[in-house]
Amino acid sequence: KNQVEQSPQSLIILEGKNCTLQCNYTVSPFSNLRWYKQDTGRGPVSLTIMTFSENTKSNGRYTATLDADTKQSSLHITASQLSDSASYICVVSVSGGSYIPTFGRGTSLIVHP
Amino acid sequence: DGGITQSPKYLFRKEGQNVTLSCEQNLNHDAMYWYRQDPGQGLRLIYYSQIVNDFQKGDIAEGYSVSREKKESFPLTVTSAQKNPTAFYLCASSIVETGVGDVNTEAFFGQGTRLTVV
Repeated sequence: KNQVEQSPQSLIILEGKNCTLQCNYTVSPFSNLRWYKQDTGRGPVSLTIMTFSENTKSNGRYTATLDADTKQSSLHITASQLSDSASYICVVSVSGGSYIPTFGRGTSLIVHP
Repeated sequence: DGGITQSPKYLFRKEGQNVTLSCEQNLNHDAMYWYRQDPGQGLRLIYYSQIVNDFQKGDIAEGYSVSREKKESFPLTVTSAQKNPTAFYLCASSIVETGVGDVNTEAFFGQGTRLTVV
């Protein structure tokens, strides 16, 4: 069964600090992996997307990495801001069949001043 | 502007009543989805549709119904058979993957409808 596991479940950091969120998946055959940011009470918004041939992708202070061999991805947030407080969701899509993506449960990040 | 719109943002329902949540998109996407999100939980798939007049059950379809009469619209009805309907409901749309590694399959989400049963 396709699964996406994220860790930690929640994280509290001080403003200005860096942090890294993890995503492990068993989805196969792999098509692409996305990281979404979901503010409280809002719909998720895509941050980055990576295909199997990409190792890293940046979007401002957000940098995602992908290791297709070990089926792991990470999202690194640099110099965190209060507005980074949100849930970060890892989503993996398969290729050649079902177009339904598999969602992780998300990591809840709280940035304190 | 192109996008996906859910309405209403907040909805209150009495026990035993059916209620319909609206989802409209003007992105020309073939696929549409309904998800349910409970506090501290991930998104769970209720129903999805790849084409007009066709839809499939997701992981938690019991107590819900959908229709796809138009490409742009995918309303969700929460019926009285749904035992615990209070939740945050998200609608999404995307294109259908056309090839290996297709990066255009991003799911675009609406802003959600928070349903409360009173």
